[in-house]
Amino acid sequence: GDSVVQTEGQVLPSEGDSLIVNCSYETTQYPSLFWYVQYPGEGPQLHLKAMKANDKGRNKGFEAMYRKETTSFHLEKDSVQESDSAVYFCALRGRADTGRRALTFGSGTRLQVQP
Amino acid sequence: EADIYQTPRYLVIGTGKKITLECSQTMGHDKMYWYQQDPGMELHLIHYSYGVNSTEKGDLSSESTVSRIRTEHFPLTLESARPSHTSQYLCASSHPGTDTQYFGPGTRLTVL
Repeated sequence: GDSVVQTEGQVLPSEGDSLIVNCSYETTQYPSLFWYVQYPGEGPQLHLKAMKANDKGRNKGFEAMYRKETTSFHLEKDSVQESDSAVYFCALRGRADTGRRALTFGSGTRLQVQP
Repeated sequence: EADIYQTPRYLVIGTGKKITLECSQTMGHDKMYWYQQDPGMELHLIHYSYGVNSTEKGDLSSESTVSRIRTEHFPLTLESARPSHTSQYLCASSHPGTDTQYFGPGTRLTVL
C-alpha cells in the first residue's frame, strides 16, 4: 500500500534560519504530492502541491520539489518566521486510488520557530 | 475559501452515551471523508463517501458509523461512546477532478 514517512516529529529553528522538513513516499503508481499545514484549533489546509515529477510547489516562501528518482518531496524555506509555526503534513494520492481520492498522510512535523 | 463546518467543536460526554458529530459543506462536493487525529498528530481515514447513499470504511477500523442522505451532510455516529473514542475527528470534502481536500475545523471528543 501507499505510505509517507516524515522523519522529524518536531523541529525548533530560530527565526531567520533555513528549513528542510523531510518527506519520503512509497507507492506503486505515480502519485500527486501535497503539503498540508495545520494551525492550532483548525483543520489542515492545503499548503502546496505538485502533480508530477520535477514539478515544484510554492507558497509563502516555501518550496517542495517532486523528485521521482529519490521518491521525496522535502519542504524547504530559506528564512523561517515565527508565523510559520504549525504542524506540517506530507501527503500523497496514488494514481491507483482514483476512486475514493483519499489522501495518505505522513505522521506530521511540528515546526516551532524560536524568536 | 472552503465552506465546511463541523459541530460541536468540543464535546465531553460519559461512557455509554450515543453521539452524532455533524459535518456539512456548501460546495456541492461529492466526496467526503472522516479522519481521526490522535494526540501524536497522525491522521487516519476512518470513513469516506463517493456521494449520496454511498459510504465505505477507511484504513483505520472504527466503531463509528456514517450516513450520506444528502450531498452536503455527512454525520458520524457512535452508538455507545467509550474512553478509547477520545480523539479529534476531522471531516473533509473534495471536488470531482481535483486532489485537494478541504477540512473542517474538527470536533474534539472526550469520553469520560
